Amino acid sequence: GAVVSQHPSWVICKSGTSVKIECRSLDFQATTMFWYRQFPKQSLMLMATSNEGSKATYEQGVEKDKFLINHASLTLSTLTVTSAHPEDSSFYICSAPWIGNYEQYFGPGTRLTVT
Amino acid sequence: AQSVTQPDIHITVSEGASLELRCNYSYGATPYLFWYVQSPGQGLQLLLKYFSGDTLVQGIKGFEAEFKRSQSSFNLRKPSVHWSDAAEYFCAVDPSKGDMRFGAGTRLTVKP
Repeated sequence: GAVVSQHPSWVICKSGTSVKIECRSLDFQATTMFWYRQFPKQSLMLMATSNEGSKATYEQGVEKDKFLINHASLTLSTLTVTSAHPEDSSFYICSAPWIGNYEQYFGPGTRLTVT
Repeated sequence: AQSVTQPDIHITVSEGASLELRCNYSYGATPYLFWYVQSPGQGLQLLLKYFSGDTLVQGIKGFEAEFKRSQSSFNLRKPSVHWSDAAEYFCAVDPSKGDMRFGAGTRLTVKP
């Protein structure tokens, strides 16, 4: 089946720094990818839709200047958390739809801890 | 407002007992419907999905779900729960835009 990877799986950064998270579709191309955030013991909340070749679209309440998304190629989307704060600590998950069966394939997630 | 509701935050069942996890959605048209399972520290695993056709859907690990249009529900069932089924279960809908909307999740505890 289709596989989506994320890197890194866990990152710790200091407050005020930026951190980049990569999402890759390993064996299929994805013109669209999605980024979610999951706080402990809570559900996944859609943050933004990453579009290859165009700007990302952000959900209401998500700061586009803080969460920079770049869909560099048909297999790679990156989420950069800029000027990170402790409240940005969360589990970030990406997904990519495979047109073949119209399923979303989820990455394993990246745990971000901001100290 | 469009929403996905999982009314039960936490359910405890005995091993071998049957299970039903509830999910209701509120969207104008029938969206695509999914159930995912997430074990601690693990990614999301798709259990089953409903797009159209037969309203009783079979999934992996012995799970099934029934779509009931009149009730806007898509409840997940399993006739006999195993200890390894303990996890967080998410109902999700895709209202044809390609983005997923998740319910709050139901945490399943299995008693020996």
